Amino acid sequence: RKEVEQDPGPFNVPEGATVAFNCTYSNSASQSFFWYRQDCRKEPKLLMSVYSSGNEDGRFTAQLNRASQYISLLIRDSKLSDSATYLCVVNRDSQAGTALIFGKGTTLSVSS
Amino acid sequence: DTAVSQTPKYLVTQMGNDKSIKCEQNLGHDTMYWYKQDSKKFLKIMFSYNNKELIINETVPNRFSPKSPDKAHLNLHINSLELGDSAVYFCASSPGQGTYEQYFGPGTRLTVT
Repeated sequence: RKEVEQDPGPFNVPEGATVAFNCTYSNSASQSFFWYRQDCRKEPKLLMSVYSSGNEDGRFTAQLNRASQYISLLIRDSKLSDSATYLCVVNRDSQAGTALIFGKGTTLSVSS
Repeated sequence: DTAVSQTPKYLVTQMGNDKSIKCEQNLGHDTMYWYKQDSKKFLKIMFSYNNKELIINETVPNRFSPKSPDKAHLNLHINSLELGDSAVYFCASSPGQGTYEQYFGPGTRLTVT
């Protein structure tokens, strides 16, 4: 099983739509979770951290279910500028150190 | 001011050559990373350094040799380039090890012909 798995996408939605992305992770010891955004031919940038109780940042809501090892991202009222690839990210601790493990990403395309 | 910079942005070279990519961060961070993003867009960690010391080496072929002359710089040297090395290489930094936000450079697009 891959360390981080995401919906393959692409998601094609009209402006104003609500869209949800899912992600599962395999390491039950993971403690930190993030969503990153990557625009075409650009570097990834942190969108938001994901907290146990769930958290919201404007139109974006992230949820974590530790029992199911499942993370979600909900985008409400989609904008054209939300078109990007969304990367689910989970930490992996080892004796060597901590690494962030990225999912393959889900591509969102918002059209007018 | 660019927080994490990489040079060059594009690199086209032939199989068998040796090339280097440079990375600098001006954020005062202790930890730096190299990632590879292949044609399928999968972003995979290669190395991490903390205060100039190698912390993580994700079973990368030893043709790849990172070097950190100081904690603001992390360079990547690749020997005997192969077709499969074609990818975008991203440098990143974070305040420390662990689960801090990572700041990525703009990437170096390497094409091996």
